Amino acid sequence: EAQVTQNPRYLITVTGKKLTVTCSQNMNHEYMSWYRQDPGLGLRQIYYSMNVEVTDKGDVPEGYKVSRKEKRNFPLILESPSPNQTSLYFCASTLRRGYEQYFGPGTRLTVT
Amino acid sequence: AQKITQTQPGMFVQEKEAVTLDCTYDTSDPSYGLFWYKQPSSGEMIFLIYQGSYDQQNATEGRYSLNFQKARKSANLVISASQLGDSAMYFCAMREGRTQGGSEKLVFGKGTKLTVNP
Repeated sequence: EAQVTQNPRYLITVTGKKLTVTCSQNMNHEYMSWYRQDPGLGLRQIYYSMNVEVTDKGDVPEGYKVSRKEKRNFPLILESPSPNQTSLYFCASTLRRGYEQYFGPGTRLTVT
Repeated sequence: AQKITQTQPGMFVQEKEAVTLDCTYDTSDPSYGLFWYKQPSSGEMIFLIYQGSYDQQNATEGRYSLNFQKARKSANLVISASQLGDSAMYFCAMREGRTQGGSEKLVFGKGTKLTVNP
């Protein structure tokens, strides 16, 4: 089944404790992205990647890191999480530009 | 300035009726794409429909159609024959950037919550 998977789905952590949210797609898509969704703000793009080793900032990259060492994986790293990073995070992938983005199920992160 | 504006925080429609969800966008790039996504209460994001800036005809997908008015920079979603399962948040999104070496930066509106009443 073609899909984007994210892990974990739910995470509660404390300020400053480094964490990684994994994202993997099995569709051989070139493009992958991370978004965060906050009430009243819609979805905002954090980072995106156009291919292996090619990444670029979205609209809200501060406090996040990404890497794309393999085509299928695009992990999101929070080196020192803060409470304002409490949010619902989505990973997405798309085959080519202009095509629809397939979203993962989301990761609900709470930073206390 | 907002690139995608959805002016209707909430909309109500009777089952079996049609409903239009508004979306206006702002870009100076001649090459762009417009998307609509549905987010039910379960949280997943479901792709509905896509319109490219150079597409000559309005996009349609089953009960969904996109009323694309380029000069007015609007891309309204029309849902015909509403069903109870259509109750959800709906997001309009835009991709800017030229095809050759362009980015894949997608900008979303804040969404419209649609409620379908029986």
